Amino acid sequence: DAGITQSPRHKVTETGTPVTLRCHQTENHRYMYWYRQDPGHGLRLIHYSYGVKDTDKGEVSDGYSVSRSKTEDFLLTLESATSSQTSVYFCAISTSGASTDTQYFGPGTRLTVL
Amino acid sequence: GQQVMQIPQYQHVQEGEDFTTYCNSSTTLSNIQWYKQRPGGHPVFLIQLVKSGEVKKQKRLTFQFGEAKKNSSLHITATQTTDVGTYFCAGPNFGNEKLTFGTGTRLTIIP
Repeated sequence: DAGITQSPRHKVTETGTPVTLRCHQTENHRYMYWYRQDPGHGLRLIHYSYGVKDTDKGEVSDGYSVSRSKTEDFLLTLESATSSQTSVYFCAISTSGASTDTQYFGPGTRLTVL
Repeated sequence: GQQVMQIPQYQHVQEGEDFTTYCNSSTTLSNIQWYKQRPGGHPVFLIQLVKSGEVKKQKRLTFQFGEAKKNSSLHITATQTTDVGTYFCAGPNFGNEKLTFGTGTRLTIIP
């Protein structure tokens, strides 16, 4: 699956605690994305990156920050987790040079905020 | 902002029956993509359509892109249990910077 891994795969945390999710790719693709998936909402883009230190907001970026210090890693941080951030988080990459071309998804991280 | 809607949200069919899901965008799309997500899995790319009126087939799956490039459909002939999952369409947003995914159609098969 395009060499994408996510860690952790499952996490339970408490409201107010910081959480960092990691996405790692092995093929040095330029574009990386973070989505959240909730029932009835499909996949919603949180943040995306188009290169090292180059990131931009998606449609549901409030409460989330990202960093990309290396091509292969894209981190998603919840500074102070809230129950509304309970979700399944998917990382994705685009293997072509276009940000809107085919995307390949990681296995996902299931996050529960109590 | 751009909206991509899919109908129906859920579909239950008897094994062997046909299934169709429809995707409608509020804006004209440069391309439309379809993804399948099995229960508990991650979305997997199926196909991309680019041309107005384009039709593509993958075995029992037929994909169409509307003439106005604002809608698309996925039709499965003679469904099988392996077709179970959620089907998403996705299209580039107005500025062609990122994809907007539809809300998905969840298909369940009654054996």
